[in-house]
Amino acid sequence: SQQGEEDPQALSIQEGENATMNCSYKTSINNLQWYRQNSGRGLVHLILIRSNEREKHSGRLRVTLDTSKKSSSLLITASRAADTASYFCATEFWGGNTGKLIFGQGTTLQVKP
Amino acid sequence: DAGVIQSPRHEVTEMGQEVTLRCKPISGHNSLFWYRQTMMRGLELLIYFNNNVPIDDSGMPEDRFSAKMPNASFSTLKIQPSEPRDSAVYFCASSLGQGGKAFFGQGTRLTVV
Repeated sequence: SQQGEEDPQALSIQEGENATMNCSYKTSINNLQWYRQNSGRGLVHLILIRSNEREKHSGRLRVTLDTSKKSSSLLITASRAADTASYFCATEFWGGNTGKLIFGQGTTLQVKP
Repeated sequence: DAGVIQSPRHEVTEMGQEVTLRCKPISGHNSLFWYRQTMMRGLELLIYFNNNVPIDDSGMPEDRFSAKMPNASFSTLKIQPSEPRDSAVYFCASSLGQGGKAFFGQGTRLTVV
């Protein structure tokens, strides 16, 4: 079963605008990760935020995590046409000496030039 | 490193035939994941291994699906017999384990007719 639920399912914005995607999950996690998938390609890791962190930045990406609400958001600032892709959150659970990575349904982002 | 390598990239087979998907993880990674992606169900975790040992196969849909990891550099996902509803893109990913980001292969697009 899927752990993360993302909204919106689809988002269309103009180049230069900011894009915000949200992710909610159901159970306790050790960390939450965001991935990007271009059409027809594999997923690429963007950023990881640990369960004891509240905010993290990487370039034009800003991720927040609220463990009390079991939710996370990904903000892409000053979007570019090249940011057009699907974005997925993934929650990681640690058991034994490995981690189980479960993905949400994803948000499809279209950035119009 | 060439990244995670999956083969074949595309597979078209007839219902009832056996299908074997192959994956070579990144050298040194000790966790390996098999995912299935469809429009309807999104990205589903089928099974994952740690140090070549299957840890959780609860996502494997039926007994027709089986996965092996005979050594640290090779894994297979087998479907026997295949059915049209198995048509999907199958991804393999590897990571360094807990807290490590997952690296995905390019996927195998399976079509069962």
